[in-house]
Amino acid sequence: EAGVVQSPRYKIIEKKQPVAFWCNPISGHNTLYWYRQNLGQGPELLIRYENEEAVDDSQLPKDRFSAERLKGVDSTLKIQPAELGDSAVYLCASSFSLAGGPEQFFGPGTRLTVL
Amino acid sequence: AQSVTQLDSQVPVFEEAPVELRCNYSSSVSVYLFWYVQYPNQGLQLLLKYLSGSTLVKGINGFEAEFNKSQTSFHLRKPSVHISDTAEYFCAVSPVGGSEKLVFGKGTKLTVNP
Repeated sequence: EAGVVQSPRYKIIEKKQPVAFWCNPISGHNTLYWYRQNLGQGPELLIRYENEEAVDDSQLPKDRFSAERLKGVDSTLKIQPAELGDSAVYLCASSFSLAGGPEQFFGPGTRLTVL
Repeated sequence: AQSVTQLDSQVPVFEEAPVELRCNYSSSVSVYLFWYVQYPNQGLQLLLKYLSGSTLVKGINGFEAEFNKSQTSFHLRKPSVHISDTAEYFCAVSPVGGSEKLVFGKGTKLTVNP
């Protein structure tokens, strides 16, 4: 079974440039998450999707960040314009809740460096 | 709201020694508990989870953890570590019947020396 796929793995841009990250979850997983992991910190949730619907985007900086999950499968996270403080690893995860509780499966992440 | 505290940011040990990585949490509701491992330049991999039942949970790679409700702790242990266990370890919680949002600690860097 293929895991969560993310691309690109690394991205270096100059500040004020736009950037986009792509995620393809595990087949059949209806819930998709985007996390940001700053250096030396644990991941923090940016947005959670249930199928096509964003059910928790309270931590997403909506002035510059946007996300979409068309057709309830893969997802794109965009930053426009990027700032120096956006340098981080962006992780995508997916899950399919069972009676036994949630378990999230993580992709390898995209490491963003803003110069 | 939930919060997680990992008491040690770095833990150096020698190969074949035992190790314990400490995790405490705070929550006003019941939670599920998780330990994830992150190797350099990789995503997070689930080591083990506590959902209900026996408080001693066994995971992959010889790790185990014990849930202590009265002390709100979920410490991770391994009786004999290997060089390959060198990685970052994250404790996380998620509210039972809630939003499925994982709240992570800041991580513990385990370094196994020969």
